Amino acid sequence: DAKTTQPPSMDCAEGRAANLPCNHSTISGNEYVYWYRQIHSQGPQYIIHGLKNNETNEMASLIITEDRKSSTLILPHATLRDTAVYYCIVRPNFGNEKLTFGTGTRLTIIP
Amino acid sequence: DVKVTQSSRYLVKRTGEKVFLECVQDMDHENMFWYRQDPGLGLRLIYFSYDVKMKEKGDIPEGYSVSREKKERFSLILESASTNQTSMYLCASTQGGPPYNEQFFGPGTRLTVL
Repeated sequence: DAKTTQPPSMDCAEGRAANLPCNHSTISGNEYVYWYRQIHSQGPQYIIHGLKNNETNEMASLIITEDRKSSTLILPHATLRDTAVYYCIVRPNFGNEKLTFGTGTRLTIIP
Repeated sequence: DVKVTQSSRYLVKRTGEKVFLECVQDMDHENMFWYRQDPGLGLRLIYFSYDVKMKEKGDIPEGYSVSREKKERFSLILESASTNQTSMYLCASTQGGPPYNEQFFGPGTRLTVL
């Protein structure tokens, strides 16, 4: 699986948009970008995934650059409950379903 | 509501003991996974299973074994627990694909080996 690079930590004010970057410069054509998050003392939770088009769901938006070498997860109106570690994962959408988690970005929402 | 449950949230065992960690999912998922999570190392895959009685090694299978006798249950076994197996253990499941979407995780078991 392609390696991803994320900043170790970020802060965001409550109510503002949280933009979490991820670099995946070695991504190959059949690999998708997945985002998960892990709130303290809980198991990871799926957020969103995409291939090359921007995606949006009830939790977040995913913006993937045209060259697919980086992406940004956007939480449009961050709340205190969004404080968590966010993981960006790149993997093919076929084959075995192993997810390789890095160390992620620790996002802290500040009141 | 989708659910993955793990038998214990916290467990304390002694070195050399045999330890069983149980995971049950109620979604009729084909695939189940065991990860461990350690500070600074992220989540690492120990074993996974695509079907009943099937298992495959993940990235760090040494010191562990698994059992999947029923579709809904995936057990992780530490044959002889050691202190370096102190960790958070996470179970996950997902429907067989493609397309492969989300893995559903349990709440985790924090195991301490003394």
